[in-house]
Amino acid sequence: GQQVMQIPQYQHVQEGEDFTTYCNSSTTLSNIQWYKQRPGGHPVFLIQLVKSGEVKKQKRLTFQFGEAKKNSSLHITATQTTDVGTYFCAGEYGNKLVFGAGTILRVKS
Amino acid sequence: DSGVTQTPKHLITATGQRVTLRCSPRSGDLSVYWYQQSLDQGLQFLIQYYNGEERAKGNILERFSAQQFPDLHSELNLSSLELGDSALYFCASSVRPNNSPLHFGNGTRLTVT
Repeated sequence: GQQVMQIPQYQHVQEGEDFTTYCNSSTTLSNIQWYKQRPGGHPVFLIQLVKSGEVKKQKRLTFQFGEAKKNSSLHITATQTTDVGTYFCAGEYGNKLVFGAGTILRVKS
Repeated sequence: DSGVTQTPKHLITATGQRVTLRCSPRSGDLSVYWYQQSLDQGLQFLIQYYNGEERAKGNILERFSAQQFPDLHSELNLSSLELGDSALYFCASSVRPNNSPLHFGNGTRLTVT
């Protein structure tokens, strides 16, 4: 079945450093969504990208969708302790929204 | 608060038993999704309903079944439970059946002993 590969699995950064997580699909996606799950919480929707090459920003977060609509990235500039959690991408294939395995972000203050 | 309500929050039961998890979607949302999240693992898609009809199926075991009722709430039934079924089960809802953000409930933590 369809899979969305997400890397890295885990990242531990010093507060103030940047962070990036990447998602890749072997087939073209209709759209890609990003979610954040705080420890002990539930996933919370961050953003959706639909167009080829799309770039969206939310404060320190930058989201990109590849030209071929097969890959995406989330970049956080100058991480803060409030950024800790697991970041998931989710790719839409026809009827199904398939989540990547997630990247766990830990921030050292 | 996402507006999606899941009950119960916690469930502890024995192997071989059957349980029902319940989900009330956000007001106005017609689509309901069920996901399973095991310890330190990602979100495994189980099944999706839209306006009462099954729309998509993921890796849902035959021992599991679900339905969406006319009032749009949904139930996930898990039977002949095994130790490996212990997980966090999330329900999510969305306005449209696709191309639409998901709003997750707080989940039901199932422990099978």
